[in-house]
Amino acid sequence: GENVEQHPSTLSVQEGDSAVIKCTYSDSASNYFPWYKQELGKRPQLIIDIRSNVGEKKDQRIAVTLNKTAKHFSLHITETQPEDSAVYFCAASPYEYSTLTFGKGTMLLVSP
Amino acid sequence: NAGVTQTPKFQVLKTGQSMTLQCAQDMNHNSMYWYRQDPGMGLRLIYYSASEGTTDKGEVPNGYNVSRLNKREFSLRLESAAPSQTSVYFCASSAPGAGQGVYGYTFGSGTRLTVV
Repeated sequence: GENVEQHPSTLSVQEGDSAVIKCTYSDSASNYFPWYKQELGKRPQLIIDIRSNVGEKKDQRIAVTLNKTAKHFSLHITETQPEDSAVYFCAASPYEYSTLTFGKGTMLLVSP
Repeated sequence: NAGVTQTPKFQVLKTGQSMTLQCAQDMNHNSMYWYRQDPGMGLRLIYYSASEGTTDKGEVPNGYNVSRLNKREFSLRLESAAPSQTSVYFCASSAPGAGQGVYGYTFGSGTRLTVV
């Protein structure tokens, strides 16, 4: 089955800095890669996603890049703010299946 | 439009007790899922239901059973709870994209279960 590795497990940045979280996946059939943000005590919420026919996608301060050859994808957050502090999960899904395999998460702490 | 509703939000069980976690969605989604979340382990799939009338095992199904009661409801049952099942449980649903695989999940608010 699919295996998703996520790094780093924790990331501390100063407000205004950029943050990058990286994920690798094992199943070459995967074609959908979402990112979820989970604030403390809350449910995970989709913040951005990318499909295999696209190399990069942006939404304001958030961007995701995908390298299908290397089987890795990354989340980039620019101009970080304290409210960006949360746990971020990457995930991958093969076309033929209906389930997402999640990475173990990255705790992002943005200090004022 | 409530999205995905889970009950209960908190539960404490004694070892060996049974309970059912309830999940309902009002978005007319075909697929529903149960995940557990443990510190440092991410979200791990317990069971899923790709459509009404079907259920399949995920990564960690042992000790659990599920029922897809209808298109809206998907319940998770612990027949004999064990301390190893202490976790936060999330239900989620999704609507398959037209021939393009699954889109993002909508999660419920979670059930925090402690087994003592």
